[in-house]
Amino acid sequence: SAVISQKPSRDICQRGTSLTIQCQVDSQVTMMFWYRQQPGQSLTLIATANQGSEATYESGFVIDKFPISRPNLTFSTLTVSNMSPEDSSIYLCSFLGLAGADTQYFGPGTRLTVL
Amino acid sequence: RKEVEQDPGPFNVPEGATVAFNCTYSNSASQSFFWYRQDCRKEPKLLMSVYSSGNEDGRFTAQLNRASQYISLLIRDSKLSDSATYLCVVRPSGRRALTFGSGTRLQVQP
Repeated sequence: SAVISQKPSRDICQRGTSLTIQCQVDSQVTMMFWYRQQPGQSLTLIATANQGSEATYESGFVIDKFPISRPNLTFSTLTVSNMSPEDSSIYLCSFLGLAGADTQYFGPGTRLTVL
Repeated sequence: RKEVEQDPGPFNVPEGATVAFNCTYSNSASQSFFWYRQDCRKEPKLLMSVYSSGNEDGRFTAQLNRASQYISLLIRDSKLSDSATYLCVVRPSGRRALTFGSGTRLQVQP
């Protein structure tokens, strides 16, 4: 299966600043997703990153707060904008492999703490 | 009602025990079902897919009851290394992204 990496692995940020998280897959994948896992909680889908077009956001998440880029089939970024302590969470990118594949794989996550 | 519901546990069992986790899902049109395992401070990893006919992988057995919208995972002969959070995961009809339960924490004790 493909290898997926995220940068940074962790960060501590000040309130009001923004952080961009990068996700790189070592092969072309059909679909990429961004999830959030708040402390003690399960994973919540933020958005589907669409290659070459705007991301599709889930209810409760908006582009102004979580802008996403996906310039090609192997790379995506998620920005957490104007951060507050409530944004402290683990952010995970995920992908589906070849067309028709059913299994979703996850990156190692970015642990974000907002002070 | 949550889309996927699980007992959060924790389940504390001795080594060698058999333990079962259950999960219910609300969308009757859901198409794919999985169990993922998540170790502390790590990303979720696929443990096994769940098929209507039931499936087994070594000490792990998964079953699906579509009529009751119920999924189960049975772990036999528990090992210390089985200690983790087990996530019940569903792919709703018409969607490619997964929906996660809140997870059931298992602690296997020596």
